[in-house]
Amino acid sequence: SQQGEEDPQALSIQEGENATMNCSYKTSINNLQWYRQNSGRGLVHLILIRSNEREKHSGRLRVTLDTSKKSSSLLITASRAADTASYFCALRGGDDKIIFGKGTRLHILP
Amino acid sequence: KAGVTQTPRYLIKTRGQQVTLSCSPISGHRSVSWYQQTPGQGLQFLFEYFSETQRNKGNFPGRFSGRQFSNSRSEMNVSTLELGDSALYLCASHLGTPTYEQYFGPGTRLTVT
Repeated sequence: SQQGEEDPQALSIQEGENATMNCSYKTSINNLQWYRQNSGRGLVHLILIRSNEREKHSGRLRVTLDTSKKSSSLLITASRAADTASYFCALRGGDDKIIFGKGTRLHILP
Repeated sequence: KAGVTQTPRYLIKTRGQQVTLSCSPISGHRSVSWYQQTPGQGLQFLFEYFSETQRNKGNFPGRFSGRQFSNSRSEMNVSTLELGDSALYLCASHLGTPTYEQYFGPGTRLTVT
């Protein structure tokens, strides 16, 4: 069944470093979205990339989508303590349902 | 603009009881989706409503139901509660277009004892 699988499951990096997390999926999608969840602000939409797009930027975030490999990556540059959170990819398929992956737990070390 | 609100924020129920959760979307948003989040299964899609009609449904038993009112507010109901229904229930609203940005509420933490 369609489900995004994030990789890695957990990631710890030093503040100021870049963080990269990946999402793979199995069937075709209409769009892919990335969300962040932390205890303070709940689940927040970060960026949406359509199936006909290859790359999108938003501030320190860069998302790529490779539909031939059925994978997407989220890059956070110059990480900050406030980036500590869980990051989820969410796939919107042809049936219009949104399916979330299990998430990557990112911890930024001071 | 006020965000998505969910009530109640916390709830404790006993097995066999039923529960109703409420979600008020952002003003102007016509679509509301519900999700269940648990440590084991992660975020799972329950259903989506648009203009009072259920547009999509996840793979949950019939004990889970929902509805949307003319003012776009939505409720979900779980009957005959089971221990496994303990979870964070999240509501999200969006404008209703196919490519959309969902705005999530803080969730209702349901504990079934």
